[in-house]
Amino acid sequence: DTQMTQSPSSLSASVGDRVTITCQASQDISNYLNWYQQKPGKAPKLLIYDASNLETGVPSRFSGSGSGTDFTFTISSLQPEDFATYYCQEYENLPPFFGGGTKVELK
Amino acid sequence: EVLLVESGGALVQPGGSLRLSCTASGFTFSSYDMHWVRQATGKGLEWVSTINTPGDSYYAGSVKGRFTISRENGNNSLYLQMNRLTPGDTAVYYCSRRKWGSRALDQWGPGTLVTVSS
Repeated sequence: DTQMTQSPSSLSASVGDRVTITCQASQDISNYLNWYQQKPGKAPKLLIYDASNLETGVPSRFSGSGSGTDFTFTISSLQPEDFATYYCQEYENLPPFFGGGTKVELK
Repeated sequence: EVLLVESGGALVQPGGSLRLSCTASGFTFSSYDMHWVRQATGKGLEWVSTINTPGDSYYAGSVKGRFTISRENGNNSLYLQMNRLTPGDTAVYYCSRRKWGSRALDQWGPGTLVTVSS
């Protein structure tokens, strides 16, 4: 099974900041890496699929990059509605594993 | 509009059973792999089970032998039969859809809460 190490587990940022989250896989997962946003009491929402593809309707300030074992998720200019928890998820094979999450809080 | 709506969550005693349902609408349900993912309060997301379009099923080690996933394409419904429940199964259970042409989970229901407690 592939393990995912997501960092940081939390961060404090201000509106307008550039935010970067990383995920490292324990083995090569090609580009089978997805990013989700979750707000309290809500279901996760897919933002980025296959490492770098923006899901339909998701603002372009969100982006993803990487392949193999190292992946990066970026919010280019943090907006008030972006304060949430973000999860990476690998899905090279079953079982698909989620990273531990990154809580983005207001500084 | 694509919709997934879970139901069946409840308070159940340890050792008990529960059947969750997920009703889908707005897409051709039979053409998509479907998943159950759970989240304990204050914790991260944990994949539970998957059923693909031919009906093959897969389980997390923590639920294998206790949970059974199934689908009724004619009713656009996904199910999760949960037996021998333990307090560790307490969580919000989400059904989700695998994105067409990808392995991401692109649609999620709002979730249903399962509480296992005496």
